[in-house]
Amino acid sequence: EAEVAQSPRYKITEKSQAVAFWCDPISGHATLYWYRQILGQGPELLVQFQDESVVDDSQLPKDRFSAERLKGVDSTLKIQPAELGDSAMYLCASSFNRDAEAFFGQGTRLTVV
Amino acid sequence: QQQVKQSPQSLIVQKGGISIINCAYENTAFDYFPWYQQFPGKGPALLIAIRPDVSEKKEGRFTISFNKSAKQFSLHIMDSQPGDSATYFCAARVLNTPLVFGKGTRLSVIA
Repeated sequence: EAEVAQSPRYKITEKSQAVAFWCDPISGHATLYWYRQILGQGPELLVQFQDESVVDDSQLPKDRFSAERLKGVDSTLKIQPAELGDSAMYLCASSFNRDAEAFFGQGTRLTVV
Repeated sequence: QQQVKQSPQSLIVQKGGISIINCAYENTAFDYFPWYQQFPGKGPALLIAIRPDVSEKKEGRFTISFNKSAKQFSLHIMDSQPGDSATYFCAARVLNTPLVFGKGTRLSVIA
């Protein structure tokens, strides 16, 4: 069964360091999302891509966060510098198009110390 | 401003009982209402979804009830089992926009 792949599964980093997460969506899925989920809360959108273009990054803290999907397939989310408040689960999801159901990966659990 | 309000925050149900989780929304432009199930350390998985042109959808033990006039929808889990113990999220979406999620309900099914 096709899955959204994310790596690493867990990441511990020190405050002020840079950290990056990788996502490989389900093959053929044009839409890719990055969500952040704080423990005990629902996922909140950070950025949405349609192919290689950013469709919505209104909730992305652009002073420290960046995201790219250069060839319209896999994607990288970067945080630099990391802050203590960035500790959360970072979830990647993909869908065939913007109106289709979204499938989530297992997430990257980030701990900033 | 929270777009989807979910209740209760936590729920304990006896094995074999019915679990009911509720969500309310304000944006009448929402046209897709899914429920996701999440186990610890895993990503959310789509459980069941409904569009506003129907009032109920059933898949196995899981049923969504949708009340368009009240702007509410709920998830019913019949014959709840310990394996159903997880966190459940309602969500909603306007056409071609990302999902917005409720805060989640932690369900515990006890024997």
